Amino acid sequence: DIVMTQSPLSLPVTPGEPASISCRSSQSLLHSTGKIHLDWYLQKPGQSPQLLIYLGSNRASGVPDRFSGSGSGTDFTLRISRVEAEDVGVYYCMQGLQVPITFGQGTRLEIK
Amino acid sequence: EVQLVESGGGLVQPGGSLTLSCAVSGFTSSRYWIHWVRQAPGKGLVWVSRIHSEENMKTYADSVKGRFTISRDNVNNTLSLQMNSLRGEDTAVYYCAKCKYAGTHCDYWGQGTLVTVSS
Repeated sequence: DIVMTQSPLSLPVTPGEPASISCRSSQSLLHSTGKIHLDWYLQKPGQSPQLLIYLGSNRASGVPDRFSGSGSGTDFTLRISRVEAEDVGVYYCMQGLQVPITFGQGTRLEIK
Repeated sequence: EVQLVESGGGLVQPGGSLTLSCAVSGFTSSRYWIHWVRQAPGKGLVWVSRIHSEENMKTYADSVKGRFTISRDNVNNTLSLQMNSLRGEDTAVYYCAKCKYAGTHCDYWGQGTLVTVSS
């Protein structure tokens, strides 16, 4: 199984400040098509997960442009350029290259 | 409007069975994947199973293989997850999610249904 490791697990951020979350996979997530099979999801308190970034760096529909995804191979980063209060929740990376599909442990973002 | 609505959760004894349903509507594409993902209380997300909307392709996590069966009813636009031989560790909120590809781009999620396995 591909193991997904996120850091940090807890991320206190002052509104207006940037934030970044790291996600590392135990194997390369590069598909034969040349695409990276890594997504980022946000689960806000009491809600279902919502897609933020797909295929490594593509913002999902309706996602603010303060969110960006980058990385290659086994190292990936989710960046928030300016954190807002509505960004609180748990962020998960997910690899879809191989079955079983696996998630990172989650990073809890909180507002200072 | 795309919607996924889960139902069928509840309390079941260890060794018992339960069938979850996911009613889907509003999809513009006929080709997609439906995944089941679960979340134990206070824990992270864990992938359970997936099925293609048209092709006969199904996959399971090892932890549920042989006990859970995923299926679809394209006439009624419903996906099902039949769960047998339930264990305490199956206790979780179960989400169905519509994904554009086999393992990525899961852009719509249901609200989840809670399954509690306890005597």
